[in-house]
Amino acid sequence: AQKITQTQPGMFVQEKEAVTLDCTYDTSDPSYGLFWYKQPSSGEMIFLIYQGSYDQQNATEGRYSLNFQKARKSANLVISASQLGDSAMYFCAMREGPDNFNKFYFGSGTKLNVKP
Amino acid sequence: DVKVTQSSRYLVKRTGEKVFLECVQDMDHENMFWYRQDPGLGLRLIYFSYDVKMKEKGDIPEGYSVSREKKERFSLILESASTNQTSMYLCASSFQRGRGGYTFGSGTRLTVV
Repeated sequence: AQKITQTQPGMFVQEKEAVTLDCTYDTSDPSYGLFWYKQPSSGEMIFLIYQGSYDQQNATEGRYSLNFQKARKSANLVISASQLGDSAMYFCAMREGPDNFNKFYFGSGTKLNVKP
Repeated sequence: DVKVTQSSRYLVKRTGEKVFLECVQDMDHENMFWYRQDPGLGLRLIYFSYDVKMKEKGDIPEGYSVSREKKERFSLILESASTNQTSMYLCASSFQRGRGGYTFGSGTRLTVV
């Protein structure tokens, strides 16, 4: 079974609007971490936001927020006020357990295009 | 500025060649990882290492080997390159435990002809 599922291969959003990128995960470990990374066309992977399984509040980092619904096992990324520079691939990732060598599982990614 | 450096940005190799992809980090991270990235498949873990001379297979180790003789360096070796190993290869490093995520290198796009 897939550990991380991203069901949106590609999305379009109008500049200055908000957009939600979907991510669902599968784990039986009570302790896990969820990450979102951005990959522009240049190829580097940029860390955006982190959510721990025991965190009580949804994570926020500037224009990025993570809509964490534990019972549904979803960790959707919300980007507010989209900018042209947000056009990129976005990957959701999960780390299981506190002592699992920090091994990550990645989703297949969502390509976001921001239209002017 | 902390860095993970991959030795080559682009590589073209012939089928059957032995290929070395090098990765160096300057953050004193214990863990280092090699992933390959293919469209529609995301990132898949090939091998990782949690200490010098230690290595663990990831999800797709076939056709690859690794070497970690020094803490800062993690090499991915394609013993006999094949066309189905044409891909983007990403190296990452992290501390062994805690909340920290990965720091990635900029990737090596390998083409095997």
